[in-house]
Amino acid sequence: SQQGEEDPQALSIQEGENATMNCSYKTSINNLQWYRQNSGRGLVHLILIRSNEREKHSGRLRVTLDTSKKSSSLLITASRAADTASYFCATDFEDNQGGKLIFGQGTELSVKP
Amino acid sequence: GAVVSQHPSRVICKSGTSVKIECRSLDFQATTMFWYRQFPKQSLMLMATSNEGSKATYEQGVEKDKFLINHASLTLSTLTVTSAHPEDSSFYICSARDLEYRQGDTEAFFGQGTRLTVV
Repeated sequence: SQQGEEDPQALSIQEGENATMNCSYKTSINNLQWYRQNSGRGLVHLILIRSNEREKHSGRLRVTLDTSKKSSSLLITASRAADTASYFCATDFEDNQGGKLIFGQGTELSVKP
Repeated sequence: GAVVSQHPSRVICKSGTSVKIECRSLDFQATTMFWYRQFPKQSLMLMATSNEGSKATYEQGVEKDKFLINHASLTLSTLTVTSAHPEDSSFYICSARDLEYRQGDTEAFFGQGTRLTVV
């Protein structure tokens, strides 16, 4: 069962612009993770933010977490055509037996050169 | 980062036959692996959690007899789609988390996925 909702479902921007994707979840979490998936491939981990963290940076990526609103956002700055992919949030929820991750619906990002 | 190898990447089979998909963690031991199914332009749906040396835990609505999971070692889990039908055609992805997971927050590592087409 999925617990994450993401918006927008699709986002099309020009190279150099920033892309913001949002994720909401339903239950309390240990951490929230963002993954990237190129078409027809596996997922690549981008960044993990713990429940006691509010913001985290990694290169051109910035993730925020608001546990009171049960939401997170992923910002990609100065986007490139190579950033074109689907992006998913995944929650590692409290009382998680065995470490399964539950994925949001994903945002399909298209960056036009 | 750690590597998870999934094989085969693509498979076409006839209706009624069975297909086995392998998922290996190459440089770490995973007591737990996870199997997901993904339809085109949709998210990953967790099918089951594969536990080394014990029975898999299936998510609600997933047929245990249709999707057989075996996790015989700390580095290998297999998913067998039995008596496959065209509706089983999908993209199947496995993932694993390091044993160190229980000592802190860790990411999951994913295989490259298997595109199954049942004709």
